[in-house]
Amino acid sequence: DAGVIQSPRHEVTEMGQEVTLRCKPISGHNSLFWYRQTMMRGLELLIYFNNNVPIDDSGMPEDRFSAKMPNASFSTLKIQPSEPRDSAVYFCASSYTRATDTQYFGPGTRLTVL
Amino acid sequence: GENVEQHPSTLSVQEGDSAVIKCTYSDSASNYFPWYKQELGKRPQLIIDIRSNVGEKKDQRIAVTLNKTAKHFSLHITETQPEDSAVYFCAASNTGYQKVTFGTGTKLQVIP
Repeated sequence: DAGVIQSPRHEVTEMGQEVTLRCKPISGHNSLFWYRQTMMRGLELLIYFNNNVPIDDSGMPEDRFSAKMPNASFSTLKIQPSEPRDSAVYFCASSYTRATDTQYFGPGTRLTVL
Repeated sequence: GENVEQHPSTLSVQEGDSAVIKCTYSDSASNYFPWYKQELGKRPQLIIDIRSNVGEKKDQRIAVTLNKTAKHFSLHITETQPEDSAVYFCAASNTGYQKVTFGTGTKLQVIP
């Protein structure tokens, strides 16, 4: 298995633009997580899905952020409009069934908002 | 919700010495405690985990201990090597809540 796949790996955009990050979880995994990592705030859980259903989105910073999981093999995290403070590394992770199963992280997307 | 505190934030040890990283958690219902290692520019990767039905788990040079009464768990690395240099994250979760809460990370530097 190729592991969790994320795209793009790097994204540079200007303030106000829409940004879409993509994730393909490991085949057969039923839980998917979106994290944001910054020096100041560490590793933060933004949202997680179980069987394609959002279970907890309490970590989503504000209405500018939205996430979808239309099927078991694809998820998106969208920021609209983007702001410089959104600059961070965004990780997607998946696990077999539950959050308490091993989470496998993708390589991350480094987002820079100018 | 769960709150995980991790100490120290940075740790420097001489190669061959031991390193200990400590975490505390707040939710007594937590029953799963993974540790992740993140090398510079890489993704976090699970190195060891422990569940609440055991007090200690070992995997070669790495061990984790858990004290449920004190709500405290620790990572022990013996005979440290330069390749152990990384940021280590502890985390806590429970099967009911289905959410893993991470600590703030410890940057370990092993000096050759």
